[in-house]
Amino acid sequence: DTGVSQDPRHKITKRGQNVTFRCDPISEHNRLYWYRQTLGQGPEFLTYFQNEAQLEKSRLLSDRFSAERPKGSFSTLEIQRTEQGDSAMYLCASSPPLGRQHEQYFGPGTRLTVT
Amino acid sequence: AQKVTQAQTEISVVEKEDVTLDCVYETRDTTYYLFWYKQPPSGELVFLIRRNSFDEQNEISGRYSWNFQKSTSSFNFTITASQVVDSAVYFCALSEYGNKLVFGAGTILRVKS
Repeated sequence: DTGVSQDPRHKITKRGQNVTFRCDPISEHNRLYWYRQTLGQGPEFLTYFQNEAQLEKSRLLSDRFSAERPKGSFSTLEIQRTEQGDSAMYLCASSPPLGRQHEQYFGPGTRLTVT
Repeated sequence: AQKVTQAQTEISVVEKEDVTLDCVYETRDTTYYLFWYKQPPSGELVFLIRRNSFDEQNEISGRYSWNFQKSTSSFNFTITASQVVDSAVYFCALSEYGNKLVFGAGTILRVKS
């Protein structure tokens, strides 16, 4: 059983550029979460999907951020016009269907550096 | 609003010492889950334990044990006979049923040989 995978693992970009990250959840996990972790802090919730529906978005998710989960499988997180403050680790997690949805399994993360 | 506080920013111990990591939480929900995750230098969050709000039994798994006390809103984690491989950042987290995790700021544990 493969775990949650994320691509790329590292991304360096210049301020003002757009970036897109991908997350592939564990197969048959219907919930998918995005978190952001800055240095020295715990992960902070950004958004989550149940199947293809985006059910909750944090206030941290500004208009420059958009997430999608077409067909309820993989998900993408896009950041437009990146700013230096966007530099962080972006973590994806998935959880199984009803009855076990409280178990979240994390991927290795995508580390974004905005120069 | 939910909140998790890990007051210990960093702890250093010598190998084989016991160490306890503190976690205090706030929630208005009667149904909730508590978690501990380990984040080694590689960065990936590793799930250690989950506890629901209706189960206050303490749990032991090898050198790890957890003490859940609703009366003090605490969910503390003890490592017995610590080892260098235990060095990592440890996060306590809280969630309502099936929803987002709210993490504490983490405790850096350094185990010296």
